[in-house]
Amino acid sequence: KAGVTQTPRYLIKTRGQQVTLSCSPISGHRSVSWYQQTPGQGLQFLFEYFSETQRNKGNFPGRFSGRQFSNSRSEMNVSTLELGDSALYLCASSLGASGTGVLEQYFGPGTRLTVT
Amino acid sequence: AQSVTQPDIHITVSEGASLELRCNYSYGATPYLFWYVQSPGQGLQLLLKYFSGDTLVQGIKGFEAEFKRSQSSFNLRKPSVHWSDAAEYFCAVSGYSTLTFGKGTMLLVSP
Repeated sequence: KAGVTQTPRYLIKTRGQQVTLSCSPISGHRSVSWYQQTPGQGLQFLFEYFSETQRNKGNFPGRFSGRQFSNSRSEMNVSTLELGDSALYLCASSLGASGTGVLEQYFGPGTRLTVT
Repeated sequence: AQSVTQPDIHITVSEGASLELRCNYSYGATPYLFWYVQSPGQGLQLLLKYFSGDTLVQGIKGFEAEFKRSQSSFNLRKPSVHWSDAAEYFCAVSGYSTLTFGKGTMLLVSP
């Protein structure tokens, strides 16, 4: 069974631009979560989607948004990029959603975003 | 609110020596606990998990962890470290919400 895939793996953008990252979960998994990882802040939760609905959202500004499609694939978008958005963005998939049982998540390789 | 503390930012272990990485959690009810490993430039790989039952859980790559409710701890152990174990290790807790991660412990393996 294929793991979680994320595209692209690397991105370089300029301040003020916007970016869209994509995540395909493990086949059969319906929940997708996104995390931002930086050396200073560590792993921070962005949001969680289940059955095309956002179930949880972390403490990030509205410039960060996401969505999930009917095939469980998910995208996240960051608008008006800032230098501080440079990070590794990780996607994780799980069978069920939070609040329905144990949240055992499997992670993709991440997208390295550099904002210049 | 749930939280995880990994007291050691870096640990250096000689190849062949035993390893213990510490993890303390804060959660009001019975926690679900995880250890993940991350190699440079890679995503997180699940090493092992504790849901309930036996407090000593076995994982992949020869790792094990012990859940101690009285100490709110979930320490990761390996009897003999290999050079390929050098990576960053994250402890995480999940209740009925999303995963909360510790800051990670970087493991360095010396020859």
